[in-house]
Amino acid sequence: KQEVTQIPAALSVPEGENLVLNCSFTDSAIYNLQWFRQDPGKGLTSLLLIQSSQREQTSGRLNASLDKSSGRSTLYIAASQPGDSATYLCAAHGNQFYFGTGTSLTVIP
Amino acid sequence: DTAVSQTPKYLVTQMGNDKSIKCEQNLGHDTMYWYKQDSKKFLKIMFSYNNKELIINETVPNRFSPKSPDKAHLNLHINSLELGDSAVYFCATLGLGNEQFFGPGTRLTVL
Repeated sequence: KQEVTQIPAALSVPEGENLVLNCSFTDSAIYNLQWFRQDPGKGLTSLLLIQSSQREQTSGRLNASLDKSSGRSTLYIAASQPGDSATYLCAAHGNQFYFGTGTSLTVIP
Repeated sequence: DTAVSQTPKYLVTQMGNDKSIKCEQNLGHDTMYWYKQDSKKFLKIMFSYNNKELIINETVPNRFSPKSPDKAHLNLHINSLELGDSAVYFCATLGLGNEQFFGPGTRLTVL
């Protein structure tokens, strides 16, 4: 069974710093990996989707990479802002979607 | 227009009651899901429907019964509610590029 782990569980950084969130998965037989953002009391907002044949995807200040062979994905956030504060979740899509436990990010003004 | 909507947003009820949560999508997607997010924020799939047919049914008590009257709707009915059912329930759809789109969630509290 697929297991998805996210490290760290929580992260606090000063505004303007670049940061990396990590996602690891045990079964490399995936169709894609999707990164989401969840604000308190809200639903999930899709940030980036990386297909299994791709190595990375970029959207604005966000860059996600995927290394299927090592079972890892990273989400890089450049020049962090207080508005980036949220919980970030990754989901590996195999026979179904398996979610990580999330990284709670706080960006301090 | 909200792509994936859920009603109600909040639901507070007593143990033993029966309740329903509704989900509607206007994206035209064939596949819809129900997820449960527990107090530790862990998201676990409960059901998956494709074009009104059940595809995935994870280890969920049979007190939970999904119903899809048409492609745009996937409702979740819960019988004999228990304290452990308290959670946030999310509906989601799957787009053509295998990207998921989530509803805003329904926070269920069982007293």
